[in-house]
Amino acid sequence: GQNIDQPTEMTATEGAIVQINCTYQTSGFNGLFWYQQHAGEAPTFLSYNVLDGLEEKGRFSSFLSRSKGYSYLLLKELQMKDSASYLCAVSRSGGSYIPTFGRGTSLIVHP
Amino acid sequence: DADVTQTPRNRITKTGKRIMLECSQTKGHDRMYWYRQDPGLGLRLIYYSFDVKDINKGEISDGYSVSRQAQAKFSLSLESAIPNQTALYFCATSDPGDGETQYFGPGTRLLVL
Repeated sequence: GQNIDQPTEMTATEGAIVQINCTYQTSGFNGLFWYQQHAGEAPTFLSYNVLDGLEEKGRFSSFLSRSKGYSYLLLKELQMKDSASYLCAVSRSGGSYIPTFGRGTSLIVHP
Repeated sequence: DADVTQTPRNRITKTGKRIMLECSQTKGHDRMYWYRQDPGLGLRLIYYSFDVKDINKGEISDGYSVSRQAQAKFSLSLESAIPNQTALYFCATSDPGDGETQYFGPGTRLLVL
C-alpha cells in the first residue's frame, strides 16, 4: 500500500513564495506528480519528478528526494489565480505505474 | 476542442436508478480511467482499462461497472445508485511513454437523492 501526506490547507500572500510539502511511503517507487485543481474543475498536470533534485518551470518548481520519501512544490510570485488545490500523486512499479493521489492541499492566496 | 470529454456534466438521480456516465477522448491513448472525488478524500480510482479488451478494478469498484466500447470511449455505470455515490467523477487517459501522466476530463457532478 501507499501512504501520502500533505497539509490540508495553507494560506499565503499575493507576491510571496509558498512551499507545499508531500511525504510518501511506498514500495517500488517510480515517480511523483503534482497537479493543480481549481474548485469544480479538472486536475491539470504541473510536474513529474523521477530523479532527485529540483525541476523549475516558470514560477513553479518541484523537488524530489527519493531516499527521504519527500517532495515539495514551490510557487513563487504568488498570484490570486494560484488559489487552488495542489495534488501530490505517486506512481510505483507494482501498481502498473498508475498514480495514487494524496488528499490535496488547498492553497488560499490573499491580497 | 477538449481532448477528453464527459457527458453529462451534471446529473441528479434517485436511489435505485441505473445511470451511465460517458467519456470520450481524442488523444489517441490506449489507457483510460474512472475516478471519483469526494471532499477530504481526494481522487480514488474506480476502474481502469489499458486497451479495448482489458478491464481492471481499482480501489473502489463495488457498485460500479464499466464498458470500453472503443479505444476512444469508456463508460461508467451505476447499476443501482445510492446516496453515498454522490461525488464528482472524472475520466482520465494516459500514455506509458509519458510516465502515465493522467489527462482528465472536465468531470461529472452526480447527486443521488
